[in-house]
Amino acid sequence: GIQVEQSPPDLILQEGANSTLRCNFSDSVNNLQWFHQNPWGQLINLFYIPSGTKQNGRLSATTVATERYSLLYISSSQTTDSGVYFCAVGTGGFKTIFGAGTRLFVKA
Amino acid sequence: DAGVIQSPRHEVTEMGQEVTLRCKPISGHDYLFWYRQTMMRGLELLIYFNNNVPIDDSGMPEDRFSAKMPNASFSTLKIQPSEPRDSAVYFCASTGSIAYGYTFGSGTRLTVV
Repeated sequence: GIQVEQSPPDLILQEGANSTLRCNFSDSVNNLQWFHQNPWGQLINLFYIPSGTKQNGRLSATTVATERYSLLYISSSQTTDSGVYFCAVGTGGFKTIFGAGTRLFVKA
Repeated sequence: DAGVIQSPRHEVTEMGQEVTLRCKPISGHDYLFWYRQTMMRGLELLIYFNNNVPIDDSGMPEDRFSAKMPNASFSTLKIQPSEPRDSAVYFCASTGSIAYGYTFGSGTRLTVV
């Protein structure tokens, strides 16, 4: 099956810093989502982005499907951005596989 | 919209007992997913439904696990008999269109002792 690799596995930032999280996948996808799991365990959908670029406030994402990677950008990070960021991909239908995540801690 | 509602939030049970987890998807969403999250294996898709019909249950770990969706507003995940290795957080998610992404419930933290 498809393999999903996220990097870095852990990231510590000072509040106000910018960061880039990466998701590599081993096969063509028709479905790619980014999620944030907050420290209380809630999973929040950030983007549905199988290709192209999207922006939502301080967050943006770019997927280059032909090169099999996606990037999540966080600008001017805040302590509330802390948590785990997951990339989830699907190759057909609605079967969506999650990567292992990037754990982010933003220091005040 | 109340979102995806899961119950109970926490469940502690003894090995060998039957456990039933419940999920109410968002009204109008015709896809429902059950995921399990553990430290060792991360987030795993167990099964998903479309219009109340199971489409892919290849992630269900063994026959002790079963899932049903008797109508568009309710689904259950049952473990019988439960084992300590089933301890995990079980999430339910729903969507009406992949273009809107998945909405997850708050999860059920299951502990089997």
